[in-house]
Amino acid sequence: EVQLVESGGGLVQPGRSLRVSCAASGFTLDDYAIHWVRQPPGKGLEWVSGISWKSGPIGYADSVKGRFTISRDNAKNSLYLQMNNLRTDDTAFYYCAKERDYDRAFDYWGQGILVTVSS
Amino acid sequence: EIVMTQSPVSLSVSPGERATLSCRASQSVGSNLAWYQQKPGQAPRLLIYGASTRATGIPARVSGSGSGMEFTLTISSLQSEDSAVYYCQHYKNWPYTFGQGTKVAIK
Repeated sequence: EVQLVESGGGLVQPGRSLRVSCAASGFTLDDYAIHWVRQPPGKGLEWVSGISWKSGPIGYADSVKGRFTISRDNAKNSLYLQMNNLRTDDTAFYYCAKERDYDRAFDYWGQGILVTVSS
Repeated sequence: EIVMTQSPVSLSVSPGERATLSCRASQSVGSNLAWYQQKPGQAPRLLIYGASTRATGIPARVSGSGSGMEFTLTISSLQSEDSAVYYCQHYKNWPYTFGQGTKVAIK
């Protein structure tokens, strides 16, 4: 069974850093493109970052470019999002999501993890 | 960046009636379009990919159509469990942007 489980969220002060993780099971992470999507409480979805299969191209939303870094550890079958210089508008639920085979829609999502940026 | 615009923002439909949701892209995305359903406290769930193909386990009363810039999600014979927010998303190229969502309520 395919599962994605996020961890590492919490409360952090503006300007500080935080790393959230996404542990995958039921499939090999490196065989698929994987993404981070966020959702401020009560608001809509925003694509944050994606990493192609076999550690190919990486992309970022303009709102996080230069501050966030996506990476994966194949040995741990895990995805990471390193978030630096956090701002209050980065407060959101962060979801990891897997692309389908032969199509790039997101067929599996984690349950989400809340990151709150506040002083 | 491709901008996705959904309409209406919300709609209220009686059980058994049809709900029609629209999504417009600011430029052509071909058939690289997905629809997701999100219920409170849950992650989004894939309903439709490739603009018109139902994902695994999605009932036949849910259908998608369109290509290029105009897309439609139709839920025929609405049921209570269809109460949710629905998002369209293009995946033609990065950034994969989402629409702002349409909230469907049951009368």
